[in-house]
Amino acid sequence: QQPVQSPQAVILREGEDAVINCSSSKALYSVHWYRQKHGEAPVFLMILLKGGEQKGHEKISASFNEKKQQSSLYLTASQLSYSGTYFCGTENTDSWGKLQFGAGTQVVVTP
Amino acid sequence: DGGITQSPKYLFRKEGQNVTLSCEQNLNHDAMYWYRQDPGQGLRLIYYSQIVNDFQKGDIAEGYSVSREKKESFPLTVTSAQKNPTAFYLCASRPSSGQGVYEQFFGPGTRLTVL
Repeated sequence: QQPVQSPQAVILREGEDAVINCSSSKALYSVHWYRQKHGEAPVFLMILLKGGEQKGHEKISASFNEKKQQSSLYLTASQLSYSGTYFCGTENTDSWGKLQFGAGTQVVVTP
Repeated sequence: DGGITQSPKYLFRKEGQNVTLSCEQNLNHDAMYWYRQDPGQGLRLIYYSQIVNDFQKGDIAEGYSVSREKKESFPLTVTSAQKNPTAFYLCASRPSSGQGVYEQFFGPGTRLTVL
Protein backbone atom coordinates (compact mmCIF):
# COMPACT_ATOMS: atom_id res chain seq x y z
CA GLN A 1 0.00 0.00 0.00
CA GLN A 2 1.44 3.36 -1.03
CA PRO A 3 1.83 5.97 1.73
CA VAL A 4 -0.45 9.01 1.69
CA GLN A 5 1.13 12.46 1.58
CA SER A 6 -0.41 15.82 2.44
CA PRO A 7 -0.72 18.52 1.37
CA GLN A 8 -0.57 17.98 -2.39
CA ALA A 9 1.05 21.36 -2.90
CA VAL A 10 2.24 24.33 -0.90
CA ILE A 11 3.41 27.80 -1.90
CA LEU A 12 5.80 29.60 0.42
CA ARG A 13 7.58 32.89 0.56
CA GLU A 14 11.30 32.73 1.23
CA GLY A 15 11.88 32.38 4.96
CA GLU A 16 8.52 30.77 5.75
CA ASP A 17 8.06 27.30 7.24
CA ALA A 18 6.08 24.30 6.01
CA VAL A 19 5.22 20.78 7.12
CA ILE A 20 4.66 17.79 4.86
CA ASN A 21 2.99 14.70 6.26
CA CYS A 22 3.30 11.07 5.24
CA SER A 23 1.13 8.30 6.66
CA SER A 24 0.90 4.58 6.18
CA SER A 25 -1.93 2.13 6.80
CA LYS A 26 0.58 -0.52 7.90
CA ALA A 27 3.31 -0.67 10.53
CA LEU A 28 6.39 1.19 9.39
CA TYR A 29 9.98 0.04 9.56
CA SER A 30 11.59 3.00 7.84
CA VAL A 31 10.66 6.25 6.13
CA HIS A 32 12.77 7.81 3.38
CA TRP A 33 12.48 11.42 2.19
CA TYR A 34 13.51 12.61 -1.28
CA ARG A 35 13.28 15.82 -3.25
CA GLN A 36 12.89 15.90 -7.02
CA LYS A 37 13.43 18.82 -9.36
CA HIS A 38 11.54 18.83 -12.64
CA GLY A 39 12.88 16.27 -15.13
CA GLU A 40 15.56 15.00 -12.75
CA ALA A 41 15.98 11.95 -10.55
CA PRO A 42 14.93 12.19 -6.89
CA VAL A 43 17.67 13.24 -4.48
CA PHE A 44 17.98 11.64 -1.05
CA LEU A 45 17.33 13.83 2.01
CA MET A 46 17.17 11.47 4.99
CA ILE A 47 16.05 8.11 6.40
CA LEU A 48 14.22 7.58 9.67
CA LEU A 49 13.86 4.28 11.47
CA LYS A 50 11.07 3.25 13.82
CA GLY A 51 11.70 4.57 17.29
CA GLY A 52 10.48 8.15 17.04
CA GLU A 53 13.77 9.37 15.63
CA GLN A 54 14.22 12.90 14.41
CA LYS A 55 16.83 13.85 11.85
CA GLY A 56 17.99 16.99 10.14
CA HIS A 57 19.51 18.05 6.87
CA GLU A 58 20.45 21.75 6.80
CA LYS A 59 17.17 23.47 7.78
CA ILE A 60 15.09 20.46 6.79
CA SER A 61 14.24 18.02 9.53
CA ALA A 62 11.87 15.10 9.95
CA SER A 63 10.19 13.10 12.65
CA PHE A 64 8.81 9.59 12.78
CA ASN A 65 5.85 8.66 14.95
CA GLU A 66 5.76 4.88 15.07
CA LYS A 67 2.46 4.76 16.96
CA LYS A 68 0.65 6.88 14.42
CA GLN A 69 2.49 5.24 11.54
CA GLN A 70 3.43 8.57 10.11
CA SER A 71 6.32 10.88 9.43
CA SER A 72 6.53 14.62 8.99
CA LEU A 73 9.06 16.69 7.08
CA TYR A 74 9.72 20.23 8.34
CA LEU A 75 11.01 22.92 6.00
CA THR A 76 12.32 25.74 8.19
CA ALA A 77 13.16 29.24 6.94
CA SER A 78 12.65 28.06 3.37
CA GLN A 79 15.06 29.00 0.62
CA LEU A 80 14.45 29.23 -3.13
CA SER A 81 16.46 26.02 -3.56
CA TYR A 82 13.85 24.12 -1.53
CA SER A 83 11.42 24.26 -4.45
CA GLY A 84 10.63 20.87 -5.91
CA THR A 85 8.47 17.85 -5.29
CA TYR A 86 9.00 16.01 -2.03
CA PHE A 87 8.35 12.30 -1.80
CA CYS A 88 8.20 10.04 1.19
CA GLY A 89 9.07 6.40 0.70
CA THR A 90 8.00 3.79 3.21
CA GLU A 91 9.17 0.33 4.06
CA ASN A 92 6.70 -1.69 6.12
CA THR A 93 7.66 -4.21 8.79
CA ASP A 94 6.01 -7.05 6.86
CA SER A 95 7.68 -6.27 3.53
CA TRP A 96 11.36 -5.57 4.06
CA GLY A 97 13.08 -4.29 1.00
CA LYS A 98 9.89 -3.08 -0.71
CA LEU A 99 10.16 0.70 -0.82
CA GLN A 100 6.98 2.44 -1.94
CA PHE A 101 6.50 6.14 -2.51
CA GLY A 102 3.65 8.55 -2.02
CA ALA A 103 2.19 10.82 -4.69
CA GLY A 104 4.45 13.70 -3.67
CA THR A 105 4.04 17.25 -2.38
CA GLN A 106 4.91 20.07 -4.73
CA VAL A 107 6.67 22.92 -2.94
CA VAL A 108 7.11 26.31 -4.57
CA VAL A 109 9.21 28.91 -2.76
CA THR A 110 8.86 32.44 -4.08
CA PRO A 111 11.13 35.45 -3.44
CA ASP B 1 32.74 6.96 -10.58
CA GLY B 2 30.15 4.71 -9.02
CA GLY B 3 26.54 5.13 -9.97
CA ILE B 4 23.50 3.96 -11.87
CA THR B 5 23.16 4.36 -15.61
CA GLN B 6 19.98 4.14 -17.60
CA SER B 7 19.87 4.17 -21.33
CA PRO B 8 18.65 5.67 -23.47
CA LYS B 9 17.48 8.94 -21.94
CA TYR B 10 14.65 9.29 -24.46
CA LEU B 11 12.98 6.40 -26.25
CA PHE B 12 10.26 6.37 -28.86
CA ARG B 13 8.36 3.27 -29.90
CA LYS B 14 5.36 2.41 -31.98
CA GLU B 15 2.30 1.01 -30.29
CA GLY B 16 2.36 -2.79 -30.10
CA GLN B 17 6.15 -3.11 -29.91
CA ASN B 18 7.99 -4.46 -26.91
CA VAL B 19 10.83 -2.29 -25.63
CA THR B 20 13.59 -2.97 -23.12
CA LEU B 21 14.96 -0.28 -20.81
CA SER B 22 18.48 -0.74 -19.54
CA CYS B 23 19.64 -0.25 -15.94
CA GLU B 24 23.22 -0.88 -14.81
CA GLN B 25 24.86 -0.13 -11.46
CA ASN B 26 28.47 -0.43 -10.29
CA LEU B 27 27.75 0.27 -6.62
CA ASN B 28 27.78 -3.40 -5.67
CA HIS B 29 24.21 -3.07 -4.41
CA ASP B 30 22.14 -6.19 -3.92
CA ALA B 31 18.70 -4.62 -4.35
CA MET B 32 17.39 -2.96 -7.51
CA TYR B 33 14.05 -1.33 -8.29
CA TRP B 34 11.98 -0.04 -11.18
CA TYR B 35 9.50 2.82 -10.75
CA ARG B 36 7.14 4.51 -13.13
CA GLN B 37 6.34 8.21 -12.85
CA ASP B 38 3.52 9.92 -14.71
CA PRO B 39 3.15 13.72 -14.93
CA GLY B 40 2.13 15.13 -11.57
CA GLN B 41 2.07 11.71 -9.96
CA GLY B 42 4.27 9.88 -7.57
CA LEU B 43 6.63 6.99 -8.06
CA ARG B 44 4.86 3.69 -8.49
CA LEU B 45 6.79 0.48 -7.94
CA ILE B 46 6.83 -1.91 -10.91
CA TYR B 47 9.28 -4.64 -9.87
CA TYR B 48 12.08 -5.05 -7.39
CA SER B 49 14.85 -7.54 -6.84
CA GLN B 50 16.80 -8.13 -3.63
CA ILE B 51 19.15 -10.73 -4.98
CA VAL B 52 20.35 -12.16 -8.28
CA ASN B 53 17.89 -14.52 -10.00
CA ASP B 54 15.01 -13.39 -7.81
CA PHE B 55 12.49 -10.55 -8.16
CA GLN B 56 9.06 -9.57 -6.89
CA LYS B 57 6.12 -7.74 -8.39
CA GLY B 58 5.41 -4.24 -7.19
CA ASP B 59 2.10 -2.42 -7.36
CA ILE B 60 1.81 -2.10 -11.15
CA ALA B 61 3.64 -5.11 -12.64
CA GLU B 62 1.03 -5.95 -15.29
CA GLY B 63 2.41 -5.48 -18.80
CA TYR B 64 6.04 -5.42 -17.62
CA SER B 65 8.72 -8.06 -17.21
CA VAL B 66 12.22 -8.06 -15.69
CA SER B 67 15.24 -10.28 -15.30
CA ARG B 68 18.12 -10.27 -12.82
CA GLU B 69 20.82 -12.52 -14.21
CA LYS B 70 23.67 -10.33 -12.97
CA LYS B 71 24.06 -8.25 -9.83
CA GLU B 72 24.84 -5.13 -11.85
CA SER B 73 21.95 -5.30 -14.30
CA PHE B 74 18.15 -5.15 -14.00
CA PRO B 75 16.55 -4.58 -17.41
CA LEU B 76 12.85 -3.78 -17.71
CA THR B 77 10.78 -4.87 -20.71
CA VAL B 78 7.63 -2.93 -21.47
CA THR B 79 5.43 -5.34 -23.38
CA SER B 80 2.61 -4.63 -25.79
CA ALA B 81 0.23 -5.73 -23.02
CA GLN B 82 0.96 -2.51 -21.11
CA LYS B 83 -2.00 -0.33 -22.03
CA ASN B 84 -0.48 3.06 -21.39
CA PRO B 85 3.32 2.78 -21.40
CA THR B 86 4.23 6.43 -22.03
CA ALA B 87 5.93 7.60 -18.83
CA PHE B 88 9.20 8.43 -17.09
CA TYR B 89 10.91 5.27 -15.83
CA LEU B 90 13.34 5.37 -12.93
CA CYS B 91 15.69 2.62 -11.85
CA ALA B 92 17.14 2.57 -8.35
CA SER B 93 19.42 0.46 -6.21
CA ARG B 94 20.54 0.12 -2.61
CA PRO B 95 22.34 -2.35 -0.35
CA SER B 96 20.09 -5.19 0.77
CA SER B 97 17.85 -4.32 3.72
CA GLY B 98 19.17 -7.39 5.49
CA GLN B 99 22.37 -5.43 6.11
CA GLY B 100 20.65 -2.40 7.63
CA VAL B 101 18.62 0.44 6.21
CA TYR B 102 20.23 2.47 3.49
CA GLU B 103 19.32 5.21 1.08
CA GLN B 104 18.17 4.31 -2.37
CA PHE B 105 20.15 5.71 -5.29
CA PHE B 106 18.28 6.64 -8.46
CA GLY B 107 19.41 6.58 -12.04
CA PRO B 108 18.76 9.55 -14.35
CA GLY B 109 15.64 7.94 -15.84
CA THR B 110 14.35 7.02 -19.28
CA ARG B 111 11.46 8.91 -20.82
CA LEU B 112 9.47 6.49 -22.95
CA THR B 113 6.98 7.75 -25.52
CA VAL B 114 4.78 5.32 -27.38
CA LEU B 115 3.35 6.71 -30.59
